[in-house]
Amino acid sequence: SYELTQPPSVSVSPGQTASISCSGDKLEDKYAYWYQQKPGQSPVLVIYLDTKRPSGIPERFSGSNSGNTATLTISGTQAMDEADYYCQAWDSNTAVFGGGTKLTVL
Amino acid sequence: QVQLVESGGGVVQPGRSLRLSCAASGFTFSTHSMHWVRQAPGKGLEWVAVISFDENNKYYADSLKGRFTISRDISKNTLYLQMDSLRAEDTAVYYCGRGGRSWNTEFDYWGQGTLVTVSS
Repeated sequence: SYELTQPPSVSVSPGQTASISCSGDKLEDKYAYWYQQKPGQSPVLVIYLDTKRPSGIPERFSGSNSGNTATLTISGTQAMDEADYYCQAWDSNTAVFGGGTKLTVL
Repeated sequence: QVQLVESGGGVVQPGRSLRLSCAASGFTFSTHSMHWVRQAPGKGLEWVAVISFDENNKYYADSLKGRFTISRDISKNTLYLQMDSLRAEDTAVYYCGRGGRSWNTEFDYWGQGTLVTVSS
């Protein structure tokens, strides 16, 4: 079965750029999606179709997908961005999530 | 505004059944695929199932091995998940999520979730 691999944790200082990777076999041949989940809350879509931002998502969130790796980038990271982030892709009629990355802003 | 409200969770004994509901409002329910996604306590997200906008396609996570059934009632704007032969490992918060017209797209809105606890 298809797998997506994310680092368990990423730390970033306020105002700096955070990058969260998501690796999967030939991931560039699929679309990558990213979700943000804060403690006790439901997930929120932050990136779809590799690079697109839903309305209401700040411009500091961006995405890319090349080779075997999709990347979520948060520029000028703010304290409010501290959350768990999950990547997701579709493979053979199945939605696959990465294991999640805890972003700490300190 | 788009709203998804899950219900039906609770404590259930292993081997028993439970049906979850997701009431949708604020959008044209019949033109969107709908999903169930679960999250075990302290764990990550796990996709469960999808039903296409026209109900012609239903897909499930391999791990469920035919124990769960997804359905929808367009007249009631409601999504369902019938869960049979429940196991301890099915304990999780179950979220419904809205998909696009095509079933293999993003989940752009999520409900608040309903907790299912499988325990004797």
